[in-house]
Amino acid sequence: QITLKESGPTLVKPTQTLTLTCTFSGFSLSTNGVGVTWIRQPPGKALEWLALIYWDDDKRYSPSLKSRLTITKDTSKNQVVLTMTNMDPVDTATYFCAHVTTVTTVTDWGQGTLVTVSS
Amino acid sequence: QTVVTQEPSLTVSPGGTVTLTCASSAGAVTSSFYPNWFQQKPGQAPRALIYSTSKKHSWTPARFSGSLLGGKAALTLSGVQPEDEAEYYCLIYYSGAGVFGGGTKLTVL
Repeated sequence: QITLKESGPTLVKPTQTLTLTCTFSGFSLSTNGVGVTWIRQPPGKALEWLALIYWDDDKRYSPSLKSRLTITKDTSKNQVVLTMTNMDPVDTATYFCAHVTTVTTVTDWGQGTLVTVSS
Repeated sequence: QTVVTQEPSLTVSPGGTVTLTCASSAGAVTSSFYPNWFQQKPGQAPRALIYSTSKKHSWTPARFSGSLLGGKAALTLSGVQPEDEAEYYCLIYYSGAGVFGGGTKLTVL
């Protein structure tokens, strides 16, 4: 059974850096074709794809947010970390992580964590 | 930046059939973009339904099917049930990065 859980601050101030951790079980990030992706959803709005890291440490980013995002993995801890710099109130959203298999197939999702950006 | 467009809203009667589409500003959607489809109900995380255009997950009900239709990715629901009322999102990959559509709110009425 695959499970993922997002953790991190619920409130950050404008200009600060957000660090979110996705802790997962039921799969290994050292398996060929496997990855973990981050997706966010502002309140009442659509999903937005952010970043993806693969088993071989290949990393992909949303072109519009690439300059602000960094994704890393710790295979031994079964964790993936997303950092987003220079946070703004428009970045207020629920942030999800999800399991990716066969390179492009998103399967299981975490429950999401709401991050509010406010002074 | 590529924009992926879905119908903002659709209404279907119980037992009916409805097709949701997913179009790209970059041109025709093909299987090389590995379309995924997701269902999201209020207050819940999205649930994966379809991957690689038309493949179903083990948990995907048989009434859901994916295809390519007129240069778009498509999700068809046949024999719609009241519990299918939800928001549906497509995800397409461009040069390895994903782009979600704006979502379709499906009402079963």
